[in-house]
Amino acid sequence: EVQVLESGGGLVQPGGSLRLSCAASGFTFSQYAMSWVRQAPGKGLEWVSTISGSGSDISYAHSVRGRFTISRDNSRNTLFVQMNSLRAEDTALYYCAKLGGSCSDGRCWYLDVWGQGTTVTVSS
Amino acid sequence: QSVLTQPPSVSGAPGQRVTIPCTGSSSNIGAGYDVHWYQQLPGTAPKLLIYTNNNRPSGVPDRFSGSKSGTSASLAITGLQAEDEADYYCQSYDNSLSGFYVFGTGTKVTVL
Repeated sequence: EVQVLESGGGLVQPGGSLRLSCAASGFTFSQYAMSWVRQAPGKGLEWVSTISGSGSDISYAHSVRGRFTISRDNSRNTLFVQMNSLRAEDTALYYCAKLGGSCSDGRCWYLDVWGQGTTVTVSS
Repeated sequence: QSVLTQPPSVSGAPGQRVTIPCTGSSSNIGAGYDVHWYQQLPGTAPKLLIYTNNNRPSGVPDRFSGSKSGTSASLAITGLQAEDEADYYCQSYDNSLSGFYVFGTGTKVTVL
């Protein structure tokens, strides 16, 4: 069964750091781009970051650029996001998702496998 | 800040047809980029519902269909059922400074 499972969420003070992990199984992890998507309480979905299968291509939403770092370990089938300088507005449920789609430049991709999410709360 | 606009809510009686519009611009849907749709049942993670404008993943009922024209897209649900009550989001790619992948603002479907 294709699945992804997030971990690492918790309560952190403003300005603090947190590292989220996402363990993947059931597919050849290195062949697929992966993303983080977040959802603030009672709000809609917000794309956070994407990393290519090899890890060579990375993109970030403006709201997290310079503070978040996405990475992956293909030998461990695991996706990460290091979150620094956290703010109250980063409070959200963070989802890990696998990307699907047949175009090479990523512009047609969609999120075809989602985890259950891990909660990040930034508060003093 | 979402660049794809959806109505906050739509409703319909069981068996009826409802549509959810997703309005974009020349930097996303209007530029020809594909539109995808997700269903988020209460308290659960989003699930891919429609990909590449009008394709259903395995297991998604054919009551759900998607279309795209110009700078907009639309999700239609025919034969509305109680279990369709959920939040629905459109998603596309945006080539402007506003981001890479963009989601719609989300629409809550209520079955009356």
